[in-house]
Amino acid sequence: DVKVTQSSRYLVKRTGEKVFLECVQDMDHENMFWYRQDPGLGLRLIYFSYDVKMKEKGDIPEGYSVSREKKERFSLILESASTNQTSMYLCASSYPRSNQPQHFGDGTRLSIL
Amino acid sequence: AQSVTQPDIHITVSEGASLELRCNYSYGATPYLFWYVQSPGQGLQLLLKYFSGDTLVQGIKGFEAEFKRSQSSFNLRKPSVHWSDAAEYFCSLGSGAGSYQLTFGKGTKLSVIP
Repeated sequence: DVKVTQSSRYLVKRTGEKVFLECVQDMDHENMFWYRQDPGLGLRLIYFSYDVKMKEKGDIPEGYSVSREKKERFSLILESASTNQTSMYLCASSYPRSNQPQHFGDGTRLSIL
Repeated sequence: AQSVTQPDIHITVSEGASLELRCNYSYGATPYLFWYVQSPGQGLQLLLKYFSGDTLVQGIKGFEAEFKRSQSSFNLRKPSVHWSDAAEYFCSLGSGAGSYQLTFGKGTKLSVIP
């Protein structure tokens, strides 16, 4: 069965910290995504990666960076966490013929204090 | 600019009743449309998608959606709802088959009464 695993379900960090959110997929998918989900705003794309070391900015990349050193792993990095980055973060993947997200992880609820 | 509107924030139906969730879009060309479902505490799951061809699309879990260009709509339907269908449903719009940028609606939360 398809599996996208996010390393933490809940995470609490402090303002100014560097935060790493990890995502691993076991389907050999080329495409991976990071979204944030906020009440009333829906899902917004932060970054998209279509291959190892390849990335594209989404709608809201400011304050974030990503790393894709291996095909199965896609990391989201908050360079200097701020309170407005408190949110639910969702990772997703899809196979090459489909550039739209198909399989999502269960999410990481991140709180920045 | 493209946009997706889900007019209903919350819908409650009885188990066994039929369901229709509304989705309207705004886009100047041929849209690529998707429905996702998010169960409580989980990520999203793709229910179905429309790229072209037959305007009635079948998905997983017994759902279907109908694309109506004249009404700029892509409504999701199910003939008989089960308690396990209680979740939040998201309609989304892409600008092309190769586009990774999807515009999501704000979601409709479905509650099911036994």
